[in-house]
Amino acid sequence: GAVVSQHPSWVICKSGTSVKIECRSLDFQATTMFWYRQFPKQSLMLMATSNEGSKATYEQGVEKDKFLINHASLTLSTLTVTSAHPEDSSFYICSAGRNNIQYFGAGTRLSVL
Amino acid sequence: SQKIEQNSEALNIQEGKTATLTCNYTNYSPAYLQWYRQDPGRGPVFLLLIRENEKEKRKERLKVTFDTTLKQSLFHITASQPADSATYLCALDRGSGGGADGLTFGKGTHLIIQP
Repeated sequence: GAVVSQHPSWVICKSGTSVKIECRSLDFQATTMFWYRQFPKQSLMLMATSNEGSKATYEQGVEKDKFLINHASLTLSTLTVTSAHPEDSSFYICSAGRNNIQYFGAGTRLSVL
Repeated sequence: SQKIEQNSEALNIQEGKTATLTCNYTNYSPAYLQWYRQDPGRGPVFLLLIRENEKEKRKERLKVTFDTTLKQSLFHITASQPADSATYLCALDRGSGGGADGLTFGKGTHLIIQP
């Protein structure tokens, strides 16, 4: 199946700093990628849709100025958590679709101290 | 809004038996329904997709049914093995189909296969 790579897999940062997470489609091009967040024992919740060459679309309640998304190429989308706070600690997962199937990255565990 | 419920948080099954997981949804008529497997600390892995005009789909030891009248999907693992232990997620597309508008996920069922 298609491969989506996500990096880093785990990051710890101090409160107030910014963290960038990368999502790459390795063997296919993706004009659209998605960013999800998952809290412990909860379902994945869609945060935003990343569109290549245009602005991301954010779900209701997700702060676009806090979660900056850049989709500069057909194989790379980045999510930057700006001025991170402990409540931003979560598991962030990206996905890209091909042939009606969504392929997910391995996820990034963010811990904000 | 779309709502997905998976029958139980955890399910214990003896090795060799068939595990059956349930997914119910409301306020939606999805064109597709998908099942994913998620291991601890990992992203979901696609297992099966079933379309609204399909009653059943099989892949090796996996079988999915889709009843659009009942708004329910059943996910079966036959001849279960300890390696099948994981969380299984039911997902519906949010838009026109195929996940092109993102997916709505259930909370998942944590399946434990006991030797």
